[in-house]
Amino acid sequence: ETGVTQSPTHLIKTRGQQVTLRCSSQSGHNTVSWYQQALGQGPQFIFQYYREEENGRGNFPPRFSGLQFPNYSSELNVNALELDDSALYLCASSAGAWTEAFFGQGTRLTVV
Amino acid sequence: KQEVTQIPAALSVPEGENLVLNCSFTDSAIYNLQWFRQDPGKGLTSLLLIQSSQREQTSGRLNASLDKSSGRSTLYIAASQPGDSATYLCAVEDSNYQLIWGAGTKLIIKP
Repeated sequence: ETGVTQSPTHLIKTRGQQVTLRCSSQSGHNTVSWYQQALGQGPQFIFQYYREEENGRGNFPPRFSGLQFPNYSSELNVNALELDDSALYLCASSAGAWTEAFFGQGTRLTVV
Repeated sequence: KQEVTQIPAALSVPEGENLVLNCSFTDSAIYNLQWFRQDPGKGLTSLLLIQSSQREQTSGRLNASLDKSSGRSTLYIAASQPGDSATYLCAVEDSNYQLIWGAGTKLIIKP
């Protein structure tokens, strides 16, 4: 079991609402990455934070935003939720870019 | 644009067999390749990380190989057990710090 924890584990939101997902990174890790995984597919990279700065971003619209805090925990915010945002959101922490990534159990978001 | 493919999409074998899962990628400019396991509705468990300069990594009954020049990696599972049943995903990390994933191979080990 990794030290990466995500909250909440499940969430149901209405289209147009906003949501915040949280991730606590593993002790000693300064890098957090967020991924979206639709059912039956591999995860898609949303963005990465390194020492509180965005360090890379995938092909997601600006309504997907994030934060990393001084203790290296992180938040993913999604505004104006759409039905297609329904997915498993995964957080990974690592000791830096290009090192082994350890994942949390994910947050299952359902948009209705 | 990097693309990662995993074949087969699903595999069912009797307990005790040795098996190989395949992963291919189109751009050899990778920093590393990782194999993960995912149980239904769960997060991802890291199995093996192979740096771009390495050829293989081993952990217990698992052995992963990497051939960058041909864009291929294999995950070998020895003496399979029902507890090995899961979806196995490979991912390559590129210069933009992102992991690019295959869609996974769903493995079922029959008792």
